[in-house]
Amino acid sequence: DVKVTQSSRYLVKRTGEKVFLECVQDMDHENMFWYRQDPGLGLRLIYFSYDVKMKEKGDIPEGYSVSREKKERFSLILESASTNQTSMYLCASSPEQGVQYRDFGPGTRLTVT
Amino acid sequence: GQNIDQPTEMTATEGAIVQINCTYQTSGFNGLFWYQQHAGEAPTFLSYNVLDGLEEKGRFSSFLSRSKGYSYLLLKELQMKDSASYLCAVQDSNYQLIWGAGTKLIIKP
Repeated sequence: DVKVTQSSRYLVKRTGEKVFLECVQDMDHENMFWYRQDPGLGLRLIYFSYDVKMKEKGDIPEGYSVSREKKERFSLILESASTNQTSMYLCASSPEQGVQYRDFGPGTRLTVT
Repeated sequence: GQNIDQPTEMTATEGAIVQINCTYQTSGFNGLFWYQQHAGEAPTFLSYNVLDGLEEKGRFSSFLSRSKGYSYLLLKELQMKDSASYLCAVQDSNYQLIWGAGTKLIIKP
């Protein structure tokens, strides 16, 4: 019953490293999203994509980039990790039409030291 | 600006009923979602309201009043496994979700 998977549950990186977070969905969904979740704050949208090779900035894109080379895969890249990027990262997908609920992956808890 | 407000934490007793409120101010409205999130896990979809009124789904019900910018999630016959955070999210005019910070529900025996 696999739906949305993320490459790592826990990740520890050093300041300045380039970090790749991978997300794969097997539901043939058009839309994919990257959020970060921090205590006391709602989920914040980093980037999203409505189609292959298409990307749109969300509310907090600074310090991040994304790649969507295949429909099922959406990668989040931290070009030079910083301590303020320590967070829980959640990937989600949704179908093109209908109720735009999100199916979420299990999350990656990233710690930058 | 866009804003979603919900209580930070609530406590209830096993077997009881609890109501979690959510008020919102957003740029347009295309539906309101409730998600459940257990500690360390991903949010899971609970309910969706786009028209005024009550939607019932088993022990969980969700209510919406668009004129008041208000929703609530009602949980009946509380079980220990209902201990979780409950997230309210509104879909705005661009079909993006605006999220509340979540309500942590603690269930006591």
